Amino acid sequence: DAGITQSPRYKITETGRQVTLMCHQTWSHSYMFWYRQDLGHGLRLIYYSAAADITDKGEVPDGYVVSRSKTENFPLTLESATRSQTSVYFCASTDPGRMNTEAFFGQGTRLTVV
Amino acid sequence: AQRVTQPEKLLSVFKGAPVELKCNYSYSGSPELFWYVQYSRQRLQLLLRHISRESIKGFTADLNKGETSFHLKKPFAQEEDSAMYYCALRDGYGNKLVFGAGTILRVKS
Repeated sequence: DAGITQSPRYKITETGRQVTLMCHQTWSHSYMFWYRQDLGHGLRLIYYSAAADITDKGEVPDGYVVSRSKTENFPLTLESATRSQTSVYFCASTDPGRMNTEAFFGQGTRLTVV
Repeated sequence: AQRVTQPEKLLSVFKGAPVELKCNYSYSGSPELFWYVQYSRQRLQLLLRHISRESIKGFTADLNKGETSFHLKKPFAQEEDSAMYYCALRDGYGNKLVFGAGTILRVKS
């Protein structure tokens, strides 16, 4: 299916465990983003990537790791999950080559750390 | 650094009443501004962008550079407008999309 998909949709993990959230897009968009959504904070940027093998920190990168070996995939890894990382995570992609192009979002992953 | 402020966490109005969701920004360059909407349990989707000067689902937003604002307006709210609304600004250098904290719009019958 064309679009941007995230997996899993729901995940419960224990404190201290490593967990990876997957994001896949079929448009060959160069830019991809990871956000976390929390009440009172809105959407905060964790990491973003301008192209394969190019990543950069966003507003709240601590405790997260990303990689981008292929243009279409942008996994987010929590190296040692903490309760404060309980959140809804959204992946997005965009093509910045056009002015005012929109970002397209995945359906989100609801992560609970117990 | 760019910043987007949405001062209201919740806006509750009656059906048929006018709606204004406030958004202020700080950015040193020429901003690219957007409004995104998230209906219950759905993914975020673009509602409108400032460059298009369009009206989507009856919503409009005008960029006011003097007041650094991009408020979202609708003259007559509908129940189906109930959702979370995010104002966003795109950084032209890094192409980062920065969001405000969001405003929940609740339209009561």
